[in-house]
Amino acid sequence: EVQLVESGGGLAQPGGSLRLSCAASGFTFSDLYMDWFRQAPGKGLEWVGRVRNKANRYTTEYAASVKGRFTISRDDSKNSLYLQMNFLKTEDTAVYYCARCRQGSSPDYWGQGTLVTVSS
Amino acid sequence: DIQMTQSPSSLSASVGDRVTITCRASQGIRNDLGWYQQKPGKAPERLIYAASSLQSGVPSRFSGSGSGTEFTLTISSLQPEDFATYYCLQHNSYPRTFGQGTKVEIK
Repeated sequence: EVQLVESGGGLAQPGGSLRLSCAASGFTFSDLYMDWFRQAPGKGLEWVGRVRNKANRYTTEYAASVKGRFTISRDDSKNSLYLQMNFLKTEDTAVYYCARCRQGSSPDYWGQGTLVTVSS
Repeated sequence: DIQMTQSPSSLSASVGDRVTITCRASQGIRNDLGWYQQKPGKAPERLIYAASSLQSGVPSRFSGSGSGTEFTLTISSLQPEDFATYYCLQHNSYPRTFGQGTKVEIK
């Protein structure tokens, strides 16, 4: 059974940092691309970014709203995905989801999400 | 960026009704589109991939069609468990972009 479990959410101050993790199981993690998405309270879904697999040199893509502040990485030996969030803004407040993605397709499985609140 | 215009933003329907939701892309995206269902407090679940392929385990009353710039999600006979918010997502280019969502409510 495919499982994606996010952790690391919580309260952060504006300008602060937070690191989210996503633990994967039930599939060959190293083969797939991984995405982060988010959803602000009462709002729609927003793509945050992607990390490709080793065959594609772990290259990344980011939404303009987070580029230069957020960093996506992965550790295939631990079946884990990470989102390092720096210089947080109040508008980064959202539920953050990780999702797996086969090359050339849309994400098929999502985690349950972790809430990040940025507030002073 | 590719803009995805989804309509309607909400609709009220009865059990057994046929429901159609539309997404229009600001430029051609071939069939690089997925449809998702999201219930309150839950993660999105993929219903349709490649614009018209049914995700394994999803009931056959859900169907998708379209290519290029016009896409539709159809629920042939609405069931109580289908009341939710639906989103389209284009994965043709970066940044990935969603439609604004369609909230399907009980009439």
